[in-house]
Amino acid sequence: DQQVKQNSPSLSVQEGRISILNCDYTNSMFDYFLWYKKYPAEGPTFLISISSIKDKNEDGRFTVFLNKSAKHLSLHIVPSQPGDSAVYFCAARRVDSYGKLTFGQGTILTVHP
Amino acid sequence: DTAVSQTPKYLVTQMGNDKSIKCEQNLGHDTMYWYKQDSKKFLKIMFSYNNKELIINETVPNRFSPKSPDKAHLNLHINSLELGDSAVYFCASSQDLNGNQPQHFGDGTRLSIL
Repeated sequence: DQQVKQNSPSLSVQEGRISILNCDYTNSMFDYFLWYKKYPAEGPTFLISISSIKDKNEDGRFTVFLNKSAKHLSLHIVPSQPGDSAVYFCAARRVDSYGKLTFGQGTILTVHP
Repeated sequence: DTAVSQTPKYLVTQMGNDKSIKCEQNLGHDTMYWYKQDSKKFLKIMFSYNNKELIINETVPNRFSPKSPDKAHLNLHINSLELGDSAVYFCASSQDLNGNQPQHFGDGTRLSIL
């Protein structure tokens, strides 16, 4: 039972354009959502997060949008750069889970020069 | 200066052997975790410790035994290794169990069982 899903295994974008990565979840008890970026042979690196009481959080080129009614969140990267090429993981946490994160299966983003 | 470091990076061993993976964090965090990334690329939590106390044990076989000698270290010992244990194991840490603080990950240990 996969509670966090990233239905696009991969995404290819031209440098300078917008990248939009999507994530859906099923558990309405999730109250905190995170995006991680992962390069090959490295661990996931925290990128940006959003609390369930908000619908948008922005940090430089990265913006996360949360639509609670649709149980959907998305990560926008504008403008995309070749160095953004990586695997992006969406993760979610329940308020009563003692920090346990539930991850999606990741989306491979490739940004072409 | 690596924040979360785990050793070894690669581990190749025979079925039935016992092995350990070590993890150390220098972030001053109270909470540490072990995750397993399987062949389908899902990252799934195995254990978490807070100030050396076991908090989460996510129905992992008892062949896996975590040990936390202090809050900066969380080691993972695996007995009687099986083919299905082949995976990448990630250690992580966070400030504490509560609050909206992200987890910081090590670079992973790729375990291959022959």
